Amino acid sequence: GAVVSQHPSRVICKSGTSVKIECRSLDFQATTMFWYRQFPKQSLMLMATSNEGSKATYEQGVEKDKFLINHASLTLSTLTVTSAHPEDSSFYICSAERDRGVEAFFGQGTRLTVV
Amino acid sequence: DAKTTQPPSMDCAEGRAANLPCNHSTISGNEYVYWYRQIHSQGPQYIIHGLKNNETNEMASLIITEDRKSSTLILPHATLRDTAVYYCIVSSQGGKLIFGQGTELSVKP
Repeated sequence: GAVVSQHPSRVICKSGTSVKIECRSLDFQATTMFWYRQFPKQSLMLMATSNEGSKATYEQGVEKDKFLINHASLTLSTLTVTSAHPEDSSFYICSAERDRGVEAFFGQGTRLTVV
Repeated sequence: DAKTTQPPSMDCAEGRAANLPCNHSTISGNEYVYWYRQIHSQGPQYIIHGLKNNETNEMASLIITEDRKSSTLILPHATLRDTAVYYCIVSSQGGKLIFGQGTELSVKP
């Protein structure tokens, strides 16, 4: 299957700082990428849809000014958690779809811990 | 909200077939049935998808009922490495994947 890579896989940051997570489609172009968040023992929760060259679409209840999404190329989307707080500690996962594809492929996830 | 219903957990003996059911009674005509699985602390892994016909690949088989209101994922010879949470999702092509709670499959020796 297609490969989607996230970086970093783990990050620890201090409260009040910002953290950027990258999501790359390594062997295909992705006009659409999705960002999810997963808390322990819970399912994945969709945060936003990232479209190349346009503004992201956020799900209800997700603060767009706190979770900044940039999709500047067909192979890269970034999620920046601004002014992170301990409650933002979570597992962040991205997915990408091939252009005109059917199935989505997921990155390995980024474990964010805010101390 | 997720449009599917799955049992929260299932057990399966190693080497036997694992049959994971999913109900999606409100599925629309243009929506696919997708199956993903998530092993602890990893991103979800794509398994298989289908629209109307049954599908098979190297990982699993997908059986979709004629009315498309339910489906079954079959792992023909489960191994310990198949222990994971399995998610059944319905969505249109290019649409958002909304995850439910999934089925936690435990494959036991």
